[in-house]
Amino acid sequence: EVQLVESGGGLVKPGGSLRLSCAASGFTFSNAWMSWVRQAPGKGLEWVGRIKSKTDGGTTDYAAPVKGRFTISRDDSKNTLYLQMNSLKTEDTAVYYCTTTVTTGGFDYWGQGTLVTVSS
Amino acid sequence: SYELTQPPSVSVSPGQTARITCSGDALPKQYAYWYQQKPGQAPVLVIYKDSERPSGIPERFSGSSSGTTVTLTISGVQAEDEADYYCQSADSSGTYKVFGGGTKLTVL
Repeated sequence: EVQLVESGGGLVKPGGSLRLSCAASGFTFSNAWMSWVRQAPGKGLEWVGRIKSKTDGGTTDYAAPVKGRFTISRDDSKNTLYLQMNSLKTEDTAVYYCTTTVTTGGFDYWGQGTLVTVSS
Repeated sequence: SYELTQPPSVSVSPGQTARITCSGDALPKQYAYWYQQKPGQAPVLVIYKDSERPSGIPERFSGSSSGTTVTLTISGVQAEDEADYYCQSADSSGTYKVFGGGTKLTVL
C-alpha cells in the first residue's frame, strides 16, 4: 500500500523559514517523480513544484510564485521528500500535500497534508 | 501564465448526469486529469489521460476531450459524488503543471 506522510508544518512569521518532509512507502521511491501541491484555506489546488528521479536527472521545476524561495530535494536512502521554504509570505499559508506520479501520469497518490500558517 | 478554466459550480439531481468542463489552450497537446476532493480530505484521481479511469473508480465517471476543452461526466449522480472537482494539465512544454480553479458539484 502506497503511503505518503507529511510533517513539519506549523506557524511561522513572515520572512521566516520552514522545512516540510514527506515519508514515502509502498513503492519504489527512487524511481518516482515527486511533487508538492498546496491549497490555501477555502481555495483551490496549486502546484508548487516537482523533482524528477535521479535516473531522470533529479532536476527540479517550480511554480512562479515560489521560484527562488522554495527548494525541493529528496533523500532516496530515507525514502523522503523535502520542501525547504524560505522568505515565507502570508500568501504561502496553505495545506501542503506531497504527491507522486507512479502509474497514470497524474498525481496518483497524495499524503494527508500538513498545514503551514504564515502570520505575525 | 497558463490557466485552465472551470465553471465554479454545477448542480444536478440524483440520478441525473453531471458534466464539468475545463478549457485551456494547451489541452490539445497535453493530457488532462481530474481529481475529486471532499471536505477535509486529500484529492483523489478519478480520470487520467483525458478518459482513462483508475482502478477502484466507479464506471459512472468518464472523461472526454475535444479541442481546447475536456469534460468530466458523472452519469447517474449519487449523493456521495457531491464534492469539488479539479482538472489538471500542463503548459505546452509539459514542464509546469496547472490546476483549474475547481468546480463545486452539488447534488440537489
